[in-house]
Amino acid sequence: DTAVSQTPKYLVTQMGNDKSIKCEQNLGHDTMYWYKQDSKKFLKIMFSYNNKELIINETVPNRFSPKSPDKAHLNLHINSLELGDSAVYFCASSLVVGSQETQYFGPGTRLLVL
Amino acid sequence: RKEVEQDPGPFNVPEGATVAFNCTYSNSASQSFFWYRQDCRKEPKLLMSVYSSGNEDGRFTAQLNRASQYISLLIRDSKLSDSATYLCVVIGRGSTLGRLYFGRGTQLTVWP
Repeated sequence: DTAVSQTPKYLVTQMGNDKSIKCEQNLGHDTMYWYKQDSKKFLKIMFSYNNKELIINETVPNRFSPKSPDKAHLNLHINSLELGDSAVYFCASSLVVGSQETQYFGPGTRLLVL
Repeated sequence: RKEVEQDPGPFNVPEGATVAFNCTYSNSASQSFFWYRQDCRKEPKLLMSVYSSGNEDGRFTAQLNRASQYISLLIRDSKLSDSATYLCVVIGRGSTLGRLYFGRGTQLTVWP
């Protein structure tokens, strides 16, 4: 299937732990993103990579570190997890046609920090 | 002030009803506009782009008013399957590629 996939789908962990979320897209897109959707349902961009280069880095704690080994993968590593990190994390990739950009989202990773 | 503001609802309407959602954006230089749909516990998916002249896709009509910085989505003949959260999305002129701003979404429930 052509899609944006994320693993794991669910992640429950203790405060202070380090965890990673992986994302892969086989759509051939050049640009990938990480978003965070909190309990109030706001979807906010965290990072964006274009051809493995970081192009957007919103005000996100240094504990969050994205890594893009190639343009089809964008992983997110989180150090020293805190309660406030509990959220749904969505990966996305985008296709630009002319001036129109469409983003395709992965299924989300539901992170719960205890 | 948030970049994109939406009435969170919820809107509860019977099947067959017509329902309209509104959205305002703060950056007058915003260039591109979209409506995304997000089902419960699922990822957002593009519903439709919004063009200056207004556009229609089946039962869905999107309108843009640049002067008022206002976007709307009209759903006619609502179906049960339309129940979801509708997200207003804006991209600013000159923004770094991919800098989409999402509203918090308007929740719609269509009942039989």
